[in-house]
Amino acid sequence: SAVISQKPSRDICQRGTSLTIQCQVDSQVTMMFWYRQQPGQSLTLIATANQGSEATYESGFVIDKFPISRPNLTFSTLTVSNMSPEDSSIYLCSVLLGSYEQYFGPGTRLTVT
Amino acid sequence: GQNIDQPTEMTATEGAIVQINCTYQTSGFNGLFWYQQHAGEAPTFLSYNVLDGLEEKGRFSSFLSRSKGYSYLLLKELQMKDSASYLCAVGARNTGFQKLVFGTGTRLLVSP
Repeated sequence: SAVISQKPSRDICQRGTSLTIQCQVDSQVTMMFWYRQQPGQSLTLIATANQGSEATYESGFVIDKFPISRPNLTFSTLTVSNMSPEDSSIYLCSVLLGSYEQYFGPGTRLTVT
Repeated sequence: GQNIDQPTEMTATEGAIVQINCTYQTSGFNGLFWYQQHAGEAPTFLSYNVLDGLEEKGRFSSFLSRSKGYSYLLLKELQMKDSASYLCAVGARNTGFQKLVFGTGTRLLVSP
């Protein structure tokens, strides 16, 4: 397994501002993922972040809105840019261990007012 | 594209058995996953099926039929702590790496 931490755990932000969420893993992993979980909904993949390459975004998500950094094998950031109330959600990072098992971080609960 | 269906909510009593069904339609199928998510917490991995049949792990078992696009999670000897959401997810191999597509989740309420 892996120990995954996220910062901040929660935040309340104003419309139009940006928030950067950090994800730290206690071991080196090649693949990291960023998901969004809106209230009462399931998880939706935003993008896949591999170290040393550009993040791959899913349909409906763009780099200008959700820029991602992956500077090394234990760390990644997701920025939610120019926020609106519709961005209020829980944002989770996950890592791939082995060939198929994903472990999730505790999530960042974002409220945009 | 992918389409994953599971019941929204189920109820059961402590000590009972409950089966949570999941049907899916997908391209590039690469396994069926079940995750447990307690309220306010991160999802935790329960099971992975890539071949047809039943995988048993303690009180939890998971079944897969690829030809029918169908899976179920079986929980035996239910405990109060099993009250949680259970997420069915399909693994899809896309451009060489694995990604997960989640269903909407089934909220299980276990009563005394």
